[in-house]
Amino acid sequence: NAGVMQNPRHLVRRRGQEARLRCSPMKGHSHVYWYRQLPEEGLKFMVYLQKENIIDESGMPKERFSAEFPKEGPSILRIQQVVRGDSAAYFCASSLNRGQETQYFGPGTRLLVL
Amino acid sequence: DQQVKQNSPSLSVQEGRISILNCDYTNSMFDYFLWYKKYPAEGPTFLISISSIKDKNEDGRFTVFLNKSAKHLSLHIVPSQPGDSAVYFCAASGDNFNKFYFGSGTKLNVKP
Repeated sequence: NAGVMQNPRHLVRRRGQEARLRCSPMKGHSHVYWYRQLPEEGLKFMVYLQKENIIDESGMPKERFSAEFPKEGPSILRIQQVVRGDSAAYFCASSLNRGQETQYFGPGTRLLVL
Repeated sequence: DQQVKQNSPSLSVQEGRISILNCDYTNSMFDYFLWYKKYPAEGPTFLISISSIKDKNEDGRFTVFLNKSAKHLSLHIVPSQPGDSAVYFCAASGDNFNKFYFGSGTKLNVKP
C-alpha cells in the first residue's frame, strides 16, 4: 500500500514563475491537508480539501496561492509569481475521514525560489 | 499567532533514560492533540494522540499526558533509544478537525 506521494521532491523556480506541487493521497483517502514549513519553524496549516471541495483555506495567503483536489488525480498546490519568501518545504497529508483519524504525511516538496 | 508552543528547541538524553518533551497551548477549544516525529528530508510520522476527555494515553514506550487546566501536554519516551533521535512536533485541533496547529518542534538527541 503506497504511502502519500509528493512530486517533485525538489523544485527550483525563479522569481515570477509558477510552482505546481502535487500530492497523491494514500489509496482510499479523500481528505488532504497542505502545510508549509519555513526553515527552523514548525508546520503551518494552509488548506484542507476533500474531493472537489475546499473545506478550510484560512491558512492560505489570499493572493497567488490556490489549491484543488479534483475528482480524479492528485491534489495540486499552485503558487503563481513566486517570490523568495515562498521558499519552504511544503507537505501534504491525507486521512481516511475527518476526525480523530491519523494524518499520513508525504515526504514534502522543497521549493527554492532564486 | 502561535497557539501551540514548544519552548525547548532541543533536548539531549542518555540512552535508556526517560525523554520528556513538553508542549503548551493557548486555545481552550482544542479538543485533540497529537505528537509527530520527523527525520530530516522526510515527512512527519504520527506517534500518538490524545483526546481532551482523557489525561493519559500510552502506546509502548510512548506516553502522552494532558493537563487541560494548565493547557499543557507532554510526551514521555521510556526507555529512550538512539533511533528516537529526531524532531518531535506536537499538534492540536478543534473538534471540527478542519485545521491542525503545530508547535515549532523539539530536536531530541539520544546519546548511546
